[in-house]
Amino acid sequence: SQQGEEDPQALSIQEGENATMNCSYKTSINNLQWYRQNSGRGLVHLILIRSNEREKHSGRLRVTLDTSKKSSSLLITASRAADTASYFCATVRQTGANNLFFGTGTRLTVIP
Amino acid sequence: NAGVMQNPRHLVRRRGQEARLRCSPMKGHSHVYWYRQLPEEGLKFMVYLQKENIIDESGMPKERFSAEFPKEGPSILRIQQVVRGDSAAYFCASSPPWRGGLYNEQFFGPGTRLTVL
Repeated sequence: SQQGEEDPQALSIQEGENATMNCSYKTSINNLQWYRQNSGRGLVHLILIRSNEREKHSGRLRVTLDTSKKSSSLLITASRAADTASYFCATVRQTGANNLFFGTGTRLTVIP
Repeated sequence: NAGVMQNPRHLVRRRGQEARLRCSPMKGHSHVYWYRQLPEEGLKFMVYLQKENIIDESGMPKERFSAEFPKEGPSILRIQQVVRGDSAAYFCASSPPWRGGLYNEQFFGPGTRLTVL
């Protein structure tokens, strides 16, 4: 079964605003990753946070991880129209193989 | 170093036909993963292969679907007797050999979009 769920399912903001997306998962993880997917295209890896990390930054991206709540958030600051895409979280379980379990995704629309 | 390559990018099949999807991993990568994405949904794991071995096929449908990763050549995902419900985007990812149990990042290909008429 799918590992996680994300909310909101869809988010629409004005350019320049911040966008926050949340992800929840069910089992113990090795790490959690965020991906972006433009409509009809492949996946772009954004950031990886390990289970022993609580926060990570990369450019305009900030990811937090709360393993006690089994949740993560992705914050995109100063959003741009080019950030319009679907965003997925994916987890690698603590035990077992390397395969990823994806959430249901958040569709972000940034209005110029 | 070319990325993960998949072909064809788009594939149209009629019900009952066979679909063959190919994935060439990045150079030096010996692990391949296949995922399926139905419209408006996230990706779902199908199968994990190493050269000549299926490691985990827990996400594969029991019938009509098979995968291989031969010693030479690309990994193949084969769908026999396709039905309309097989219409989806199929993504392949590859990763390098395991390093002491540490997680290896997966690199995704552009996907093959299968349409079953």
